[in-house]
Amino acid sequence: NAGVTQTPKFQVLKTGQSMTLQCAQDMNHEYMSWYRQDPGMGLRLIHYSVGAGITDQGEVPNGYNVSRSTTEDFPLRLLSAAPSQTSVYFCASRDPGQAYEQYFGPGTRLTVT
Amino acid sequence: DAKTTQPTSMDCAEGRAANLPCNHSTISGNEYVYWYRQIHSQGPQYIIHGLKNNETNEMASLIITEDRKSSTLILPHATLRDTAVYYCIVRDNTDKLIFGTGTRLQVFP
Repeated sequence: NAGVTQTPKFQVLKTGQSMTLQCAQDMNHEYMSWYRQDPGMGLRLIHYSVGAGITDQGEVPNGYNVSRSTTEDFPLRLLSAAPSQTSVYFCASRDPGQAYEQYFGPGTRLTVT
Repeated sequence: DAKTTQPTSMDCAEGRAANLPCNHSTISGNEYVYWYRQIHSQGPQYIIHGLKNNETNEMASLIITEDRKSSTLILPHATLRDTAVYYCIVRDNTDKLIFGTGTRLQVFP
């Protein structure tokens, strides 16, 4: 299994541009989440999904959209990037049968100028 | 907001036990304590979790006080590769993990 994969690894955007961060998992996990991590801080939950077709907001959802059309994929969309969205983004998934362990992807480092 | 408080940083000599404390005084009866760690620039990695009993696995031990208001993660023989930020997290039976700022553990030779 590849586990949780994220693309791209690095991205630079100009203010106002849009883009989609991709996240995929091949473990058939129902639960998937997006976090952001700013320098010197812990991870903050952006959005999460408990299954295909179901999404909900986390701590810091403003400026981000998500959808979950398949179990495998959970893309994160920035509609109009702002410098405040410069961060490292992590995607995670877990099996509801193993509620304790989330698997994290390697992260996407995003810079908005 | 995170429901835990941890020291900002700790040092530990290689080969010695690293004891990382965590306070969670507002924990509810059905909330578990989880520990994750994040090695520089990588995604967080699950270490261990517990409800009220002490737990041990191949990575670490978790000691939870009887009143459940605090816990300690123990790495019995720290190595240089254990240098990381360690997060103590309290969560209920949902998918939400609310991370705090964690403890930066530096293992030195």
